Amino acid sequence: NAGVTQTPKFRILKIGQSMTLQCTQDMNHNYMYWYRQDPGMGLKLIYYSVGAGITDKGEVPNGYNVSRSTTEDFPLRLELAAPSQTSVYFCASSRWGQTEKLFFGSGTQLSVL
Amino acid sequence: GENVEQHPSTLSVQEGDSAVIKCTYSDSASNYFPWYKQELGKRPQLIIDIRSNVGEKKDQRIAVTLNKTAKHFSLHITETQPEDSAVYFCAVYSGNTGKLIFGQGTTLQVKP
Repeated sequence: NAGVTQTPKFRILKIGQSMTLQCTQDMNHNYMYWYRQDPGMGLKLIYYSVGAGITDKGEVPNGYNVSRSTTEDFPLRLELAAPSQTSVYFCASSRWGQTEKLFFGSGTQLSVL
Repeated sequence: GENVEQHPSTLSVQEGDSAVIKCTYSDSASNYFPWYKQELGKRPQLIIDIRSNVGEKKDQRIAVTLNKTAKHFSLHITETQPEDSAVYFCAVYSGNTGKLIFGQGTTLQVKP
């Protein structure tokens, strides 16, 4: 099992560009999450999904979009990148019955210049 | 929504001393309280957790205590070692919201 896989690991964007952060898990987990971690700060929940076709906003959803067309994949879309979106992004998943136990991906470090 | 406060933001101890990190939360429906350790450039790793029906849990040098009435819980690390140096995050989960909310983190430095 690969667990939770995120791509890319690093990315530099120019202001106004768009990109998609990819996240896939092979554990057949129903729940998936996107967090961002700013330097020296805790993790903030951006969006989460309780299953294919269902997504909901977290604490800091502005500037992002998500979709969940399959159980395995949960991509995060930045449409108009802004410097405030410079952060490390973590995808995570958990399974039904133990939704509180999160498995994290290795993170994507994004810089918007 | 849930508000999680973590203190202190930085903590420096001598090797062999104990370290204590405290978190407070606001949602009385919260029922699961994990602690994560994050080394530089790595993903958060779960090190210990506690559920609302338990007051204390211990795993070797690490323990967590929970006071539901006061809505706070603490991480205790005894006999600290240099490899304990990392950022530690508390988190709070509510079955009502299905969300895991994190504290701001504590940078622990263990000096040899």
